Amino acid sequence: EDQVTQSPEALRLQEGESSSLNCSYTVSGLRGLFWYRQDPGKGPEFLFTLYSAGEEKEKERLKATLTKKESFLHITAPKPEDSATYLCAVPMRGTASKLTFGTGTRLQVTL
Amino acid sequence: NAGVTQTPKFQVLKTGQSMTLQCAQDMNHEYMSWYRQDPGMGLRLIHYSVGAGITDQGEVPNGYNVSRSTTEDFPLRLLSAAPSQTSVYFCASSSTGSSGEQYFGPGTRLTVT
Repeated sequence: EDQVTQSPEALRLQEGESSSLNCSYTVSGLRGLFWYRQDPGKGPEFLFTLYSAGEEKEKERLKATLTKKESFLHITAPKPEDSATYLCAVPMRGTASKLTFGTGTRLQVTL
Repeated sequence: NAGVTQTPKFQVLKTGQSMTLQCAQDMNHEYMSWYRQDPGMGLRLIHYSVGAGITDQGEVPNGYNVSRSTTEDFPLRLLSAAPSQTSVYFCASSSTGSSGEQYFGPGTRLTVT
């Protein structure tokens, strides 16, 4: 069964305190791994796509990396506006048309 | 562009009632999908469509129907609402023809009593 597991469930950081979020998956023949950000009461917002081990993508204070079994979302010197739930997702086995989402990491950045 | 729009934003139904959640996008995306989001469960795919006239089931399709008569619209029908369908529903679309890079709507919060 395709599974996506995110850790930790919740993370509280002080402004400027860097950390990493983890997304591990069991889907074989990965057809991409996707990171989203979701603010309370809103729909998810697409951040990154990673396709192959070793690939990295960056956007402002966020950097996503991919290995054969997991992905990390590194947050460097976070600001309060980075507070959100971060979701990762992978296509289900055998199809690019169905996504399996993890349950997310709820990040809170305080002053 | 308005992006992906959903109506209504909130809805309360009684058990057994039926209703349609509306979803529209103005980006000419071929791929559209419906998800439900429940606490501790993450987003789960209900139905999806890869183009007008083509729909398929996702992970949790029971109790829901969809149709895709135009590229722009992808309504989700609840046939006979049950309390287990209390959830937040999101519609999404993608230009890539697959599911990965999706634009999500603002969601519909549905309560079934």
